[in-house]
Amino acid sequence: KQEVTQIPAALSVPEGENLVLNCSFTDSAIYNLQWFRQDPGKGLTSLLLIQSSQREQTSGRLNASLDKSSGRSTLYIAASQPGDSATYLCAVNGQNFVFGPGTRLSVLP
Amino acid sequence: GAVVSQHPSRVICKSGTSVKIECRSLDFQATTMFWYRQFPKKSLMLMATSNEGSKATYEQGVEKDKFLINHASLTLSTLTVTSAHPEDSSFYICSARDAYRGFRSNEQFFGPGTRLTVL
Repeated sequence: KQEVTQIPAALSVPEGENLVLNCSFTDSAIYNLQWFRQDPGKGLTSLLLIQSSQREQTSGRLNASLDKSSGRSTLYIAASQPGDSATYLCAVNGQNFVFGPGTRLSVLP
Repeated sequence: GAVVSQHPSRVICKSGTSVKIECRSLDFQATTMFWYRQFPKKSLMLMATSNEGSKATYEQGVEKDKFLINHASLTLSTLTVTSAHPEDSSFYICSARDAYRGFRSNEQFFGPGTRLTVL
């Protein structure tokens, strides 16, 4: 059974810092891995999708990497802004779509 | 492309009533749709997988008689919470897999969610 964990559970940083969110999964037999953003009380916003054959994907200030063999993915956010404050979820797409518990990010102005 | 809508976005109902939530794929056909539930400050948990024209597959611990799922067309799946009680209050999110684009990658597209509050 696939298990997904995320570290840290919560993170508070001053504006402008670069930061890394971590996601680990136990079963490397996946199709892809997806990073989402969720604002309080809202639905999911897809940020980046990495196929199992890819090593990384970039979108603006976001960069996600995938090391399938070690069961790890990282989401790198450059030059963080207060508007980046949200919960970030990684989800692993294999036999089923399994979400991690999320990292709550607060970027302080 | 690949837009999924949910209706209603928010519903408040009295205990004992039934509530229907619709999930629609607006610009693609979805042979498979998924229903998730999210408790406050928790991650999403898969409730059931809905396949067009057949019975839904429920995850362990999810009451199929409580959460009725119908996937009557390639663009619509409904979740009905029967005889709702306060403990059913939650955020329900659906997703859909594009029948043509997604079957190789298993990519899912998510709806905006429905917040159910049972008084």
